[in-house]
Amino acid sequence: KQEVTQIPAALSVPEGENLVLNCSFTDSAIYNLQWFRQDPGKGLTSLLLIQSSQREQTSGRLNASLDKSSGRSTLYIAASQPGDSATYLCAVNGGFKTIFGAGTRLFVKA
Amino acid sequence: GAGVSQSPSNKVTEKGKDVELRCDPISGHTALYWYRQSLGQGLEFLIYFQGNSAPDKSGLPSDRFSAERTGGSVSTLTIQRTQQEDSAVYLCASSLEGLGAGYNEQFFGPGTRLTVL
Repeated sequence: KQEVTQIPAALSVPEGENLVLNCSFTDSAIYNLQWFRQDPGKGLTSLLLIQSSQREQTSGRLNASLDKSSGRSTLYIAASQPGDSATYLCAVNGGFKTIFGAGTRLFVKA
Repeated sequence: GAGVSQSPSNKVTEKGKDVELRCDPISGHTALYWYRQSLGQGLEFLIYFQGNSAPDKSGLPSDRFSAERTGGSVSTLTIQRTQQEDSAVYLCASSLEGLGAGYNEQFFGPGTRLTVL
């Protein structure tokens, strides 16, 4: 049974800092991994999707890596801004199910 | 429409009543997903449709929950004899390809907030 864990559960950083969010999963037989952000009371916004054959994906200040063999993914946020404050979720796609981690709640202080 | 839409946005019902939640996926997306997010909890996968068929229904919490998709487009999630523990935000997502494809980026709707009194 796939289990997805995100560390840390919450993070508070000053504006401008670079930061790393971690996601680990127990079953390496995945098709892809997707990172989302969720703002309070809102739906999910897709950030990056990494296919199982890829090592990383980049979009603007975001970079996501995937090490399938060790069951780990990281989301790197460069030069953080107050607008980055949100909950960040990773989701692992298997054959018939998508399993989400509990998320990392990020607060960027101005 | 440009994105996934869900209706209603909010639903308040009394315990024991049946409710239907609707999801309109992005046009052309073959796969559709239902999730539940309870207060303070993570996202719980409920069911996935590839076209009109659901290969795995084991994520549905109980036999009071059912879902269908017709014409490869709109889906409805039905909860019979609602209980207070069914209160949650129900989220729908769609993707161009289904699970099992390497690239199946999921796009989410805004959700339906269900409150069972």
